[in-house]
Amino acid sequence: NAGVTQTPKFRVLKTGQSMTLLCAQDMNHEYMYWYRQDPGMGLRLIHYSVGEGTTAKGEVPDGYNVSRLKKQNFLLGLESAAPSQTSVYFCASRPGLAGEVGELFFGEGSRLTVL
Amino acid sequence: GQNIDQPTEMTATEGAIVQINCTYQTSGFNGLFWYQQHAGEAPTFLSYNVLDGLEEKGRFSSFLSRSKGYSYLLLKELQMKDSASYLCAVMDSNYQLIWGAGTKLIIKP
Repeated sequence: NAGVTQTPKFRVLKTGQSMTLLCAQDMNHEYMYWYRQDPGMGLRLIHYSVGEGTTAKGEVPDGYNVSRLKKQNFLLGLESAAPSQTSVYFCASRPGLAGEVGELFFGEGSRLTVL
Repeated sequence: GQNIDQPTEMTATEGAIVQINCTYQTSGFNGLFWYQQHAGEAPTFLSYNVLDGLEEKGRFSSFLSRSKGYSYLLLKELQMKDSASYLCAVMDSNYQLIWGAGTKLIIKP
């Protein structure tokens, strides 16, 4: 039972470098989310997707891009990393069509440090 | 704006009972979630309330009052493993989750 899998788990980048975080879910969920979590703050939504081929901006989208070419995968890209993007990133997914409520299933998190 | 408030930190004794409060102001309401998050781990689902009242699930219970914009999570017979952060989240009218900053619960022997 893989659930939601994030890769990589840890990464150290230098300012200006680019990278991609991969999220994969095997539960056939429609909705997928990328959050960041910083000390003393709640989960903040970066981008989300309501189905294959769709993406939308969340609360803090600047400096990030996403793609959902396949239903099971949701990629988060940093084009030019900045120290302010040092954080723990969580991917999550949930089932349901529009208007349905369901719990979120989270990946284990990816700890990113930008020097 | 939308806002979720919960205490930053609470301390309780092993074997005791603790109540973690959450108040919210959101654009619409489609339910309130509680998640548990141990340090260095992902959040895990605890409970979901959409109607007023108390939902009991083993040692954990969650209460909701929609008219007051208020919920609490009640943990009974506290164990050391209950030391974690507890996150309150409300699903708004657009079916987006609004998260509180979390309450860090410290359990002392």
